[in-house]
Amino acid sequence: GESVGLHLPTLSVQEGDNSIINCAYSNSASDYFIWYKQESGKGPQFIIDIRSNMDKRQGQRVTVLLNKTVKHLSLQIAATQPGDSAVYFCAEEGSGGSYIPTFGRGTSLIVHP
Amino acid sequence: DGGITQSPKYLFRKEGQNVTLSCEQNLNHDAMYWYRQDPGQGLRLIYYSQIVNDFQKGDIAEGYSVSREKKESFPLTVTSAQKNPTAFYLCASRRGGRTDTQYFGPGTRLTVL
Repeated sequence: GESVGLHLPTLSVQEGDNSIINCAYSNSASDYFIWYKQESGKGPQFIIDIRSNMDKRQGQRVTVLLNKTVKHLSLQIAATQPGDSAVYFCAEEGSGGSYIPTFGRGTSLIVHP
Repeated sequence: DGGITQSPKYLFRKEGQNVTLSCEQNLNHDAMYWYRQDPGQGLRLIYYSQIVNDFQKGDIAEGYSVSREKKESFPLTVTSAQKNPTAFYLCASRRGGRTDTQYFGPGTRLTVL
């Protein structure tokens, strides 16, 4: 079936570095993508979203890139801080109308001071 | 403060018991969702409700039941028929349309003794 997945389960970076977290999706009908941050023992927090009519969207220290040709999504975090340490996962939704996202497994980001 | 609350934060159940997890939102959102999260896996949908007095099964509804008698409340009952209920349970809500962000509660960790 269709799936959303992440290339790397764990990413370790030094404080101040830029981080890139990747996500591959296989449902070509997906047209809405969301990145979430989840700290240990807490619920996921919305970070940024992007629709399929865009290929880049920027937020505060975060940028999401969408490459529909290869069905790839990435989250870039600039000047990574220890507080960014968490699990990040992407979600995608299709245009079917049920408004039910499909979630990836997540990447654990570890920021070393 | 507006948001989604879940209670209790931690719940212990003996085998053979039914337990009910609470989810309340004061965001005036139409749609509410219940997800189950297991280590190393993405969120899996248990049940969702798009309007009051209506709900649909998700991917893993067996052993669970819900009700939606009020817009702000969407309780989940984990029945004795659920053979492996130990997990982290997340409730979410969204205003209605697919372009609206899905917000998550803080989660309830259920452990079967």
